[in-house]
Amino acid sequence: GEDVEQSLFLSVREGDSSVINCTYTDSSSTYLYWYKQEPGAGLQLLTYIFSNMDMKQDQRLTVLLNKKDKHLSLRIADTQTGDSAIYFCAESLGNEKLTFGTGTRLTIIP
Amino acid sequence: DVKVTQSSRYLVKRTGEKVFLECVQDMDHENMFWYRQDPGLGLRLIYFSYDVKMKEKGDIPEGYSVSREKKERFSLILESASTNQTSMYLCASGNQPQHFGDGTRLSIL
Repeated sequence: GEDVEQSLFLSVREGDSSVINCTYTDSSSTYLYWYKQEPGAGLQLLTYIFSNMDMKQDQRLTVLLNKKDKHLSLRIADTQTGDSAIYFCAESLGNEKLTFGTGTRLTIIP
Repeated sequence: DVKVTQSSRYLVKRTGEKVFLECVQDMDHENMFWYRQDPGLGLRLIYFSYDVKMKEKGDIPEGYSVSREKKERFSLILESASTNQTSMYLCASGNQPQHFGDGTRLSIL
């Protein structure tokens, strides 16, 4: 079955890079997503990567996909206080459903 | 921009009450979803709908039902609310990707 795993917590100093990791089990994933959830809010789509890509960059965000190891990462360059949030990775198998990880709470240290 | 609107941000109900959570989307999406979010468990799919009057069970449908009478509206119903249904409920619409509402934090006393 599908399973998506993330670390629960990450602390990073302001100005450093944050790297949030995710592993998944189903090799037939078609899309992999990163969502951001700020306190008291819903999920905001940050970025996504198609399974035939290795990397995608969008301003301060870089997504890396290692299909062999079933490992997905989100790097946030020059981390700011506004980046404090919970980050969810999710995989899609091409049907309607997404499987989400538990979320990683990113805390920024001034 | 896609807009997914959930009718309430916060809701407090009593055990045994019938509870309705409403979700409306403005992008003519066929797919709509209801999730619940609990600390340490991530998001779990309760039900989804791929068309008007069509519904499919997700991973945790017990104690819930849904209604999709119009394409833009998807309702989640707690037939007889229980304290273990206290949670954050998130509605989403679309497919590849899904777009989320702001959530309803539901407390059952």
